[in-house]
Amino acid sequence: GAVVSQHPSWVICKSGTSVKIECRSLDFQATTMFWYRQFPKQSLMLMATSNEGSKATYEQGVEKDKFLINHASLTLSTLTVTSAHPEDSSFYICSARDQRRVPKNIQYFGAGTRLSVL
Amino acid sequence: ELKVEQNPLFLSMQEGKNYTIYCNYSTTSDRLYWYRQDPGKSLESLFVLLSNGAVKQEGRLMASLDTKARLSTLHITAAVHDLSATYFCAVDMWEETSGSRLTFGEGTQLTVNP
Repeated sequence: GAVVSQHPSWVICKSGTSVKIECRSLDFQATTMFWYRQFPKQSLMLMATSNEGSKATYEQGVEKDKFLINHASLTLSTLTVTSAHPEDSSFYICSARDQRRVPKNIQYFGAGTRLSVL
Repeated sequence: ELKVEQNPLFLSMQEGKNYTIYCNYSTTSDRLYWYRQDPGKSLESLFVLLSNGAVKQEGRLMASLDTKARLSTLHITAAVHDLSATYFCAVDMWEETSGSRLTFGEGTQLTVNP
């Protein structure tokens, strides 16, 4: 199956600092990637849809200035959590959609990044 | 707005028993996924159901999709401890404003006891 690599897998940072998370599609090109957030014992919530070469589409209630998304190439999207605070501590998961492999448009998920803000 | 509801949310069962997890969704879709998540891990894809009446089986798990009833089921046969995990269904919807997107159910936390 398609492979999506996400780094880092775990990050601890101080309050007020910024953290960047990378999501790469290793064996396919992804014009669309997705960023999800998952709090403990809860489901995945879509934060934003990342579109290659254009601005990301954010879900209602997600601050675009706090969660900066850049999708500069067909294989890489980054999520930067700016001025992180303890309430941003969560499990962040990216996915990438493969529009060519059959069946088409399946989302493949990264391994996730656990962010802990002290 | 699409709503996806799973039932039950918590399930404790004995090894060797059978059980079914249900996933209801509120608007038309013909694409549904089942995932498994172990603690601290990301999602593992179990099944992709692409049409009405689709049935797929892998080991002790079998998933089905009824698009007319807007219902999918994940049936567990002769449960074993290794199946303990959280199971999510997710419905794929196309929206004009946002394109294709997944909406997840709340998850079913399954514990299989010896």
